[in-house]
Amino acid sequence: GAVVSQHPSRVICKSGTSVKIECRSLDFQATTMFWYRQFPKQSLMLMATSNEGSKATYEQGVEKDKFLINHASLTLSTLTVTSAHPEDSSFYICSASGGVGEKLFFGSGTQLSVL
Amino acid sequence: GENVEQHPSTLSVQEGDSAVIKCTYSDSASNYFPWYKQELGKRPQLIIDIRSNVGEKKDQRIAVTLNKTAKHFSLHITETQPEDSAVYFCASYSSGGSYIPTFGRGTSLIVHP
Repeated sequence: GAVVSQHPSRVICKSGTSVKIECRSLDFQATTMFWYRQFPKQSLMLMATSNEGSKATYEQGVEKDKFLINHASLTLSTLTVTSAHPEDSSFYICSASGGVGEKLFFGSGTQLSVL
Repeated sequence: GENVEQHPSTLSVQEGDSAVIKCTYSDSASNYFPWYKQELGKRPQLIIDIRSNVGEKKDQRIAVTLNKTAKHFSLHITETQPEDSAVYFCASYSSGGSYIPTFGRGTSLIVHP
């Protein structure tokens, strides 16, 4: 299947700092990328949907100024957690699709720990 | 919007037994139903999927069935092995709007050797 690369896999930061997570589709053009948050033993919670070249669509309850998403190219989307706080600690996963009706492939996830 | 219910939340079986996980969806326009397997700390991996124009699909020990009338679909794993132990997520894609998947809450499958 297609490959989606996500970096970093793990990050530990101090409260108040910003953290950027990258999601790359390595062998296909991802017109749509999704960002999820996952708490231990829970399902994937969709945070936002980003389409290349346009603003991300955020799910209800997700602060767009807190979680900045950029999808500047067909192979790269970034999620920046601004002014991170301990409650932002979580497992963040991206996924990418080549388009409507195309299969979804996931990144390897980023475990964020905010001290 | 779409609502996906997944049951059971936890399933414990003996090696060699079969395991069945069920999902129901609410949007009758949904037309694509993938299943993902997620091992601890790893990314979800697509294991099988089915589109609304078929009722069943098999891939070795894994099968998925779809009942469009009842709006439910199920994952069947036969001859389970310890390496099948993971969390399994179903998802439903609505054909309307932006075609965003809605995930079930997940089933933790434990296969005892």
